[in-house]
Amino acid sequence: DQQVKQNSPSLSVQEGRISILNCDYTNSMFDYFLWYKKYPAEGPTFLISISSIKDKNEDGRFTVFLNKSAKHLSLHIVPSQPGDSAVYFCAASAFGNEKLTFGTGTRLTIIP
Amino acid sequence: GAGVSQSPSNKVTEKGKDVELRCDPISGHTALYWYRQSLGQGLEFLIYFQGNSAPDKSGLPSDRFSAERTGGSVSTLTIQRTQQEDSAVYLCASSPRVAGAKQFFGPGTRLTVL
Repeated sequence: DQQVKQNSPSLSVQEGRISILNCDYTNSMFDYFLWYKKYPAEGPTFLISISSIKDKNEDGRFTVFLNKSAKHLSLHIVPSQPGDSAVYFCAASAFGNEKLTFGTGTRLTIIP
Repeated sequence: GAGVSQSPSNKVTEKGKDVELRCDPISGHTALYWYRQSLGQGLEFLIYFQGNSAPDKSGLPSDRFSAERTGGSVSTLTIQRTQQEDSAVYLCASSPRVAGAKQFFGPGTRLTVL
């Protein structure tokens, strides 16, 4: 039972354009969501997070949007840069339960 | 400061052998997690340690898997009688004891069971 889903295994975007990565979840108990970025042979690194009391969180070029009614979140990267090429994982946790449930990841490739 | 470290970085073993994977969390982090990533899959939660509390073992796939955390710091994940399906990257993460704290991951141990 995949509680966090990333339905696009890969995405290619031209440098300078907007990259939009999507994530859906099924567990209504999830109240904290995170995006991690992973380069080959490295562990995931934290990118940005959002609490369920918000619908948007912005950090530089990265913005995460949360639509609770649709159980959907998205990560926007503007403008996209070649160094953004990596695998992006969406993760979620429920209040009082600190383990993270991860999606399967989306491989983002930025085309110069 | 130093991040989360894991050893070995790569481990090749024969089916049926036991393996031990080590994780050194960030100093001062009270929470420690083990995950694994099989080929083409997301990160799968295995076990979670928080301070002196009993660990959350709900993600361990079988009784061949066990983990311990000594002195609230270093953790060892042990897989007994390894099977080919155990081949994966095993990732360790740590976080401070703060609600909603993000987890910091180590580079992982790539385990290959022949």
